[in-house]
Amino acid sequence: RKEVEQDPGPFNVPEGATVAFNCTYSNSASQSFFWYRQDCRKEPKLLMSVYSSGNEDGRFTAQLNRASQYISLLIRDSKLSDSATYLCVAHLYGNKLVFGAGTILRVKS
Amino acid sequence: DAMVIQNPRYQVTQFGKPVTLSCSQTLNHNVMYWYQQKSSQAPKLLFHYYDKDFNNEADTPDNFQSRRPNTSFCFLDIRSPGLGDAAMYLCATSRSDRGSYNEQFFGPGTRLTVL
Repeated sequence: RKEVEQDPGPFNVPEGATVAFNCTYSNSASQSFFWYRQDCRKEPKLLMSVYSSGNEDGRFTAQLNRASQYISLLIRDSKLSDSATYLCVAHLYGNKLVFGAGTILRVKS
Repeated sequence: DAMVIQNPRYQVTQFGKPVTLSCSQTLNHNVMYWYQQKSSQAPKLLFHYYDKDFNNEADTPDNFQSRRPNTSFCFLDIRSPGLGDAAMYLCATSRSDRGSYNEQFFGPGTRLTVL
């Protein structure tokens, strides 16, 4: 079983739609979580950190459910520029992050 | 602007011919990482330096080596590249104190092609 699992998608949604991604993690000792955004052939960039039950930043909301070991990312009012791969990341210990393979989002006009 | 720089952005090498990828940072971060990312896959941590301390991942092949001559620079050496080593190589940095964790900042990556 992978340490961090995501639905690879792609999620194809129209502009203005609300879309949610889920991510599960296997190690209950994971301390904190992140969502990174990666555009095609570019480097990952931090979108949000999730340290407690959740975090909200504008159109983006991340939630953490430790009992069920999953993290979600909700994007409201999708823009064309939101099209990217969204990587779910767990911080296990020390300086090590474990990345999921990513969920592809395509927002269409 | 403070940043993570990787050179070259694109590298073509021949099967078995050693290659070195470089990473430099102006963030003065004490931790530097090397990841390998293949198409449609998660970035896979190869190793990282915490200050001068080298930390190798258990499943990183011996073919991959790293050097960190100073705080700003870190190199990835692939001694005998195989076709399976073709990938994007990402360098990342973070500022970390023992017991706490901070965001990792990624460089733009070097895309390696092995002929």
